[in-house]
Amino acid sequence: NAGVMQNPRHLVRRRGQEARLRCSPMKGHSHVYWYRQLPEEGLKFMVYLQKENIIDESGMPKERFSAEFPKEGPSILRIQQVVRGDSAAYFCASSPPVPTEAFFGQGTRLTVV
Amino acid sequence: GENVEQHPSTLSVQEGDSAVIKCTYSDSASNYFPWYKQELGKRPQLIIDIRSNVGEKKDQRIAVTLNKTAKHFSLHITETQPEDSAVYFCAASNTNAGKSTFGDGTTLTVKP
Repeated sequence: NAGVMQNPRHLVRRRGQEARLRCSPMKGHSHVYWYRQLPEEGLKFMVYLQKENIIDESGMPKERFSAEFPKEGPSILRIQQVVRGDSAAYFCASSPPVPTEAFFGQGTRLTVV
Repeated sequence: GENVEQHPSTLSVQEGDSAVIKCTYSDSASNYFPWYKQELGKRPQLIIDIRSNVGEKKDQRIAVTLNKTAKHFSLHITETQPEDSAVYFCAASNTNAGKSTFGDGTTLTVKP
């Protein structure tokens, strides 16, 4: 079991570009969660998805951010028109159908220049 | 929504001493309380968790206690070692372990 896989590990984007972050959950896991961690801060919940459904997006910024978890393939967190304040580590976690525990991926460190 | 406060923000101990990190939460519906260890540049790793039907849980040198009435829970690390140095996060959630509210973290430094 390879664990939660995120890619890329590091991503550099210029202001105004788009960033796409990918997350493949652990085998057998059907729930995916995205968190953002600003430097020297805790993790902040962004969005919770199941296959083809957004269950809870209460932590997502209202503009420029979107997430999906298609029937096939990884979950994608998309940030349009990135700004310097989007620079952070973005972590994905996954849990089994009964979400009694969650496991985190290695994260994607986004730097906006 | 849930609010989790964590103290202290930094903690420095001598090797072999004990370390205690405390968290409070606001939502009485929260019933799952994990603790994560995060080393620099790495993923948060679950080290221990406790559910609201249990008051204390222990795993070797690590223990967690939960006081539901007071809405606080604590992490205890005994016989600390330099490799325990990391940032520790507490979290709280309601049933869904994946959707948690995290504290701001405690940077633990264990001096040899």
